[in-house]
This record gives sequence, C-alpha cells and structure tokens, in this order.
Amino acid sequence: NAGVMQNPRHLVRRRGQEARLRCSPMKGHSHVYWYRQLPEEGLKFMVYLQKENIIDESGMPKERFSAEFPKEGPSILRIQQVVRGDSAAYFCASSPRPDTSEAFFGQGTRLTVV
Amino acid sequence: AQRVTQPEKLLSVFKGAPVELKCNYSYSGSPELFWYVQYSRQRLQLLLRHISRESIKGFTADLNKGETSFHLKKPFAQEEDSAMYYCALGPDKLIFGTGTRLQVFP
Repeated sequence: NAGVMQNPRHLVRRRGQEARLRCSPMKGHSHVYWYRQLPEEGLKFMVYLQKENIIDESGMPKERFSAEFPKEGPSILRIQQVVRGDSAAYFCASSPRPDTSEAFFGQGTRLTVV
Repeated sequence: AQRVTQPEKLLSVFKGAPVELKCNYSYSGSPELFWYVQYSRQRLQLLLRHISRESIKGFTADLNKGETSFHLKKPFAQEEDSAMYYCALGPDKLIFGTGTRLQVFP
C-alpha cells in the first residue's frame, strides 16, 4: 500500500491559469479530506468527499474552487483563475471511515502562483 | 466555536531535557484530540490520539477536560524529535492548531 499519493508535488501557475491537484487515497479508503496550509498558519479544512459525493464543503472558498471524487480515479481539487493568495500547500487525507480517527495524509502539493 | 490553540511557535531544548508542547481546545461536544508530527520534508503522521491512551516514541498526552488541554510531553528529548508538531481536534473534520516547531539541540 503506497499510502496517500498527491501529485504534482510542486505546481507553478501564472495568475489567471487553472490549477488541478490530484489525490489518490489509500487502497480501501473511500473518504477524502482536503486541507490548505498558508505560510505560517496551520492546516485549514476545505472539503470532505466520499465517492461521487461532497459531504462537507464548509471550508471551500465560494468562488473559483471546486472538488470532486469520482467513482474511478483520484480526487481532484480544482482552482480556476488562480491568484497570488492561492499560493499554499494543499494536503489531502484519506480514511476508511467517515471520521478522521484513522486518517492518513499525503505529502502535499505546493502551489506557487507567479 | 471549535478551535485549537498552540501558543508556542518554537520550542528549543537540549537533548535529554523534558519537553511539553501545549495545546488548548474549544469544543462543545465530546472531543477527540490528536497529535500529528511532520518531520522535515515528510508527510504529516499521526503521533497519538487521546482515545488510545498510548505512548509513542516516548511521547504521552493526557486529555484534561477541565482545563480543555491536551499537552504533549516527553521526559527526555532526543535530537530526532526535532519536527513540527500539530495538535488537532476531531472527530469528523480535523481542526488543526498552528503548530509548534520543536528544536532539540545536541
């Protein structure tokens, strides 16, 4: 079991471009959480998804951000028309259960907007 | 409101000294508290959780509901303990503190 895989590890985008971040959960895990870490801050919850469903998106910015977790394939966090303030580390975690007591984290994607 | 506070950004100690990383929380229900560790250039790893009451790598943490605290302790710090430590509140989506960087000098 390779663990939670995130790619790319580093992503550079110009302002106005789109960023797509991928998260492949651990085998057997059908629950995915996305977190954002801004410089000098802790991890902030963004969204919680199960296969094909968004369960809790209370931490997602209202515009430009979307997430999906299709039946097949990785979970995708999509940021449209990126701005400098989107520069951050984005982490995903997966869990076999609908709680985080057994959540495992990926290594994160560091997004830099230039 | 649910909140986790880690008041220290940086804690520096010498090898063999005791360590206490502070964590206070605010939660209206029955909390589940976790400590995560992130070594340099590695992913976030679960260090311990209060419900299992275990000791990992010599670290322990006791949930004090009266003081709403979940401080992480180790009696004798080792150089390999140098890392970022995050306290987190569950049980559903995790709410993280801002983290404490522990530096253990030889």
